[in-house]
Amino acid sequence: LAKTTQPISMDSYEGQEVNITCSHNNIATNDYITWYQQFPSQGPRFIIQGYKTKVTNEVASLFIPADRKSSTLSLPRVSLSDTAVYYCLVGGYRDDKIIFGKGTRLHILP
Amino acid sequence: NAGVTQTPKFQVLKTGQSMTLQCAQDMNHEYMSWYRQDPGMGLRLIHYSVGAGITDQGEVPNGYNVSRSTTEDFPLRLLSAAPSQTSVYFCASSYISTGYEVAEAFFGQGTRLTVV
Repeated sequence: LAKTTQPISMDSYEGQEVNITCSHNNIATNDYITWYQQFPSQGPRFIIQGYKTKVTNEVASLFIPADRKSSTLSLPRVSLSDTAVYYCLVGGYRDDKIIFGKGTRLHILP
Repeated sequence: NAGVTQTPKFQVLKTGQSMTLQCAQDMNHEYMSWYRQDPGMGLRLIHYSVGAGITDQGEVPNGYNVSRSTTEDFPLRLLSAAPSQTSVYFCASSYISTGYEVAEAFFGQGTRLTVV
């Protein structure tokens, strides 16, 4: 399983675009990059997953450079309700263990 | 579909007591797992299962037992509760991908356990 490193916390303001970068230097060839969001007192929720280049859905975008040693979760025009912990996970379908790190605590200010 | 249901939502135990945290899913997922989350921390994997009759240890299995007799249910047993097991416990389920992508995990709402 590839180890991931992400900032412990970030602050931003409403209406701004927020980018959270995750480092995963030892990512394996078949590994996917997955991001989860966790609101206080709730279980994590899947946001987005990608393998390379760019993936976009209604919630976020995920940018993955060619070397895949890092990835960036981009949240457009955040609101107060985007305050949450964001987890970056790296793994492949053969990985039975789904391991979460400490995540990035994002705090959106008015 | 109810998704992943955990019971109880809150529980207070005395040191040395035993109890079972229940987890049920109605999505016919093969994969189920238990995590604990301590204040301000990430989730740590306790045990997981890739199908009925199959369980394995995660990162922090000591003090916990699991079994998987059906696809739907994956109970977590605390044999002799200790204050160090005070935490929020989350159950999750997912299908097992047949491709290279990683299946989305669905989480329950959690059980907040206090051991005094």
